[in-house]
Amino acid sequence: EVQLQQSGAEFGKPGTSVMLSCKVSGYNIRNTYMHWVNQRPGKGLKWIGRIDPTNGNTIYTEKFKNKATLTADTSSNTAYMQLSQLQSDDTAIYFCAMNSGYYFDYWGQGVLVTVSS
Amino acid sequence: DIVMTQGALPNPVPSGESASITCQSSKSLLHSNGKTYLNWYLQRPGQSPQLLIYWMSTRALGVSDRFSGSGSGTDFTLKISSVEAEDVGVYYCQQFLEYPYMFGAGTKLELK
Repeated sequence: EVQLQQSGAEFGKPGTSVMLSCKVSGYNIRNTYMHWVNQRPGKGLKWIGRIDPTNGNTIYTEKFKNKATLTADTSSNTAYMQLSQLQSDDTAIYFCAMNSGYYFDYWGQGVLVTVSS
Repeated sequence: DIVMTQGALPNPVPSGESASITCQSSKSLLHSNGKTYLNWYLQRPGQSPQLLIYWMSTRALGVSDRFSGSGSGTDFTLKISSVEAEDVGVYYCQQFLEYPYMFGAGTKLELK
């Protein structure tokens, strides 16, 4: 069974950074891309970007190019996202997801990041 | 970027009735390989999204045949026949043709 287990809730002060993790079991992340999606409170889904764990190649949506940094560790089958220079509008639930095809068929449970002074 | 625009539902929907959710893309999602790269997801309250439909009309593994997808290159419909309590949530369309993989704003389904 494929599972994506995300790290726990994070709290950060404005201007600081947080690191989120997404550990995959039941599937080798070398065979997929790992994606990150956010969802502000009461709002819709926004794709942040993706990483190819095999070579570290990343693609980001314009808004997150200077906000998010995606990395992956194939030895632990884990994807990471660092969010930097946190602002209040970064408060959201962040999901990791993977695509075995041209769709997101597996999702993490989501992690709430709260930015507050 | 490809913009995805979703329609609203006349909520609440009576249990057992059918419901159709529309989605429009600003660019054709029909690939030269003949496949249309449009996905549908359901996000139940408090849960992660789950895949319902991919390639516009192919049901994901384990998805009820009450869900069906149809459309053209830019106009799409998700039909839910005989709506049940477990169908409540927000439905999202997503294009998977090119980066960034944009989602629609979501369509909420409430049950009567």
